Amino acid sequence: QVHLVQSGADVMQPGASVKVSCKASGYTFTTYSIHWVRQAPGQGLEWMGIVNPNGGGTTYAQKFQGRVTMTRDTSTSTVYMELSSLRSEDTAVYYCARDNDSNYYYYMDVWGKGTTVTVS
Amino acid sequence: SSELTQDPAVSVALGQAVRITCQGDFRNYFPNWYQQKPGQAPVLVIYGKNNRPSGIPARFSGSSSGNTASLTITGAQAEDEADYYCNSRDSSGNHYVFGTGTKVTVL
Repeated sequence: QVHLVQSGADVMQPGASVKVSCKASGYTFTTYSIHWVRQAPGQGLEWMGIVNPNGGGTTYAQKFQGRVTMTRDTSTSTVYMELSSLRSEDTAVYYCARDNDSNYYYYMDVWGKGTTVTVS
Repeated sequence: SSELTQDPAVSVALGQAVRITCQGDFRNYFPNWYQQKPGQAPVLVIYGKNNRPSGIPARFSGSSSGNTASLTITGAQAEDEADYYCNSRDSSGNHYVFGTGTKVTVL
């Protein structure tokens, strides 16, 4: 069974960086890209970017360019999302989600449970 | 980047049908739909041209016409009360975007 297991909650000071992990299991890690999506309290879903475990290529949302870094470790089937220069507006639940692109459909079929990051 | 616009809230009587809409540019990429209950991660309910993942009840269906995508729940159940988000790739194909979300209340 496919699972994405995320790291635990973090409380960070403004200006610091946070690194959230997402460990994949139940499938061939390098076959599917991983999205990062965040949700501020009481707000909607916001796409941050995507990382391809097969080679490490990334695409980031313009809003986070220069502040976000997404990486992967194929030896542990884990992807990471690091967000720097944290401010209070970055307080949110951060989700990883598996990208599935079959038959010209592009969707997020499996999600992690989320990691709460509080900036205070 | 593209924007996807949804009505903020809709209500439906138990057992009745409800349609949730999403306005955006779907000329190149099909929309997807996710259900999110309080305190939980989103769950994919419809992808592409009306496809349901395994385990999603048949009362969920999707359609798209022009710049409007729709998710229909036929015979809404109490457990369908949740937030629903549409999602697609943007017109460049390099980025993804979510709709603003619709809160569905089952009366």
